[in-house]
Amino acid sequence: NAGVMQNPRHLVRRRGQEARLRCSPVKGHSHVYWYRQLPEEGLKFMVYLQKENIIDESGMPKERFSAEFPKEGPSILRIQQVVRGDSAAYFCASSPSGPGQGLFFGPGTRLTVL
Amino acid sequence: QKEVEQNSGPLSVPEGAIASLNCTYSDRVSQSFFWYRQYSGKSPELIMSIYSNGDKEDGRFTAQLNKASQYVSLLIRDSQPSDSATYLCAVSLGGTSYGKLTFGQGTILTVHP
Repeated sequence: NAGVMQNPRHLVRRRGQEARLRCSPVKGHSHVYWYRQLPEEGLKFMVYLQKENIIDESGMPKERFSAEFPKEGPSILRIQQVVRGDSAAYFCASSPSGPGQGLFFGPGTRLTVL
Repeated sequence: QKEVEQNSGPLSVPEGAIASLNCTYSDRVSQSFFWYRQYSGKSPELIMSIYSNGDKEDGRFTAQLNKASQYVSLLIRDSQPSDSATYLCAVSLGGTSYGKLTFGQGTILTVHP
């Protein structure tokens, strides 16, 4: 869905650095989802946020990963002290309030950890 | 047992043929079912959603759902080379968890001229 914006599209970090991935949902959408696609693995749910609230973070690694969706501005997925295993494509999707007709994903951020 | 399993590929069909993609899921209370197409290096693109038993048709695509058998499939009629991609089956519990999708590993489809 062209309406979901993610930046940067490509991000290169060295081990130990921090990575910040941004997601601007479709205008008016108050629900944001982050997914990760590791090489040779399927697409995995990470976290579900509404404005200023984390609703479900059951897919987030317990350490180094955090997410927020502030009242103003984009949703941020933050990875501290990155390791090579964090190299993956990170996708964001948004939806309006209430059940919809499926999720539409943004273009993704490809993170490479050297 | 994987939560969502897709028929192992890759699947290769000639142009104009019907491509059949299959998916089974383990959680009986699943309510919402989706098929996504993903081209290499791109994000998943939603092509079909289905919520009730039976068939749902949209152009050349037909999704079939059988909740008793915990089975969902996608048929692509008159396959075109542009249909060559990885197809992802996704399932959710619906309700307030509708956006929390569990994906299968994907089936790589190649349509050869």
